[in-house]
Amino acid sequence: GQQVMQIPQYQHVQEGEDFTTYCNSSTTLSNIQWYKQRPGGHPVFLIQLVKSGEVKKQKRLTFQFGEAKKNSSLHITATQTTDVGTYFCAAANQAGTALIFGKGTTLSVSS
Amino acid sequence: NAGVTQTPKFRVLKTGQSMTLLCAQDMNHEYMYWYRQDPGMGLRLIHYSVGEGTTAKGEVPDGYNVSRLKKQNFLLGLESAAPSQTSVYFCASSDPRGDSIDTQYFGPGTRLTVL
Repeated sequence: GQQVMQIPQYQHVQEGEDFTTYCNSSTTLSNIQWYKQRPGGHPVFLIQLVKSGEVKKQKRLTFQFGEAKKNSSLHITATQTTDVGTYFCAAANQAGTALIFGKGTTLSVSS
Repeated sequence: NAGVTQTPKFRVLKTGQSMTLLCAQDMNHEYMYWYRQDPGMGLRLIHYSVGEGTTAKGEVPDGYNVSRLKKQNFLLGLESAAPSQTSVYFCASSDPRGDSIDTQYFGPGTRLTVL
């Protein structure tokens, strides 16, 4: 079935360092969504990318959608302890009725 | 607005017992979902519904049943619980957006332990 691969699974950084997580699909995606889950919490929507080559920024977070719409990335500049959590990418299934989630990247930050 | 609520928050079952998890949303969303989350496995879709009275299987449906008799509620049932069903269960809701799906809103989760 349709899969969304996400790497790395874990990443530990020192506060102030940058962080990037990558999401890849073997099929062309109609769009991609990103979610953040804080420890002990539930996933919370961050952003949706729709257009080929799209780049969106939210303060220190930069989201990109590949030109072929098969990959996406989330980059955090100068991480802070508040960035700790698991970041998931998700893509719609072929029917457009459900999301397929990547396994997530868990970010830990030490000060 | 409460958003998406889940009942109960925690539950401990013995193998073979049954239970129902309740999800309610007050956003009038068409679509509702049940996921389970296990360490290192991400969010895996169990069942979902694209409208009142309809349900569909997700990635890991075995051992679970669902019902959506009212638009705002989505029930997840475990008829005979097994230790492998120990997990955190999340409910979510969303609306269609064009030929895809809009933002999913998640409930706070139910932590289920099966002994």
